[in-house]
Amino acid sequence: GIQVEQSPPDLILQEGANSTLRCNFSDSVNNLQWFHQNPWGQLINLFYIPSGTKQNGRLSATTVATERYSLLYISSSQTTDSGVYFCAVGGLYGGATNKLIFGTGTLLAVQP
Amino acid sequence: NAGVTQTPKFRILKIGQSMTLQCTQDMNHNYMYWYRQDPGMGLKLIYYSVGAGITDKGEVPNGYNVSRSTTEDFPLRLELAAPSQTSVYFCASSYPSGRVDNEQFFGPGTRLTVL
Repeated sequence: GIQVEQSPPDLILQEGANSTLRCNFSDSVNNLQWFHQNPWGQLINLFYIPSGTKQNGRLSATTVATERYSLLYISSSQTTDSGVYFCAVGGLYGGATNKLIFGTGTLLAVQP
Repeated sequence: NAGVTQTPKFRILKIGQSMTLQCTQDMNHNYMYWYRQDPGMGLKLIYYSVGAGITDKGEVPNGYNVSRSTTEDFPLRLELAAPSQTSVYFCASSYPSGRVDNEQFFGPGTRLTVL
């Protein structure tokens, strides 16, 4: 099945710093989503981005589907950005089911 | 819209007990999913449904059952709970994968402990 790898596994930032998180995947996809899981366990949808570039405030994401990777950019980080960032991909393999395969996440800690 | 709602938020079960995790969505999505998340890991798919009356197994279905009698509801049943089922359970819904807007939306999760 499709493999999803995220890097780095852990990241510590000072408040105000910028960062880039990477997601590599091993097959064609028609769904790619970035999530933020906050310290209370809630999964927050950040981007639905199977291809192209999107921006939402201090966050932006780019997916290059032909090269099978996606990047999540966090600028001017804040302590509230702390948590785990997951990339998840879905494809048309195994029928049109839209099953998501999750990476193992990047644990981000933003220090004041 | 409330989106995807799950009940209960927390539950402690004894080994061998059974329970049903409830999931409801009000977005008129055809597809619904159950995932589990073990500590320090990403989510794994337990079961999914592409419409009322249609369900199928995901990656980790053993020990669980599902039903889908309506578009809105997708309950997950645990029979004979085991410590290995201690996890956080997330329900999600989406439009079909053939659409350009097949983003999945997740509920708040149910934290289950089996002792």
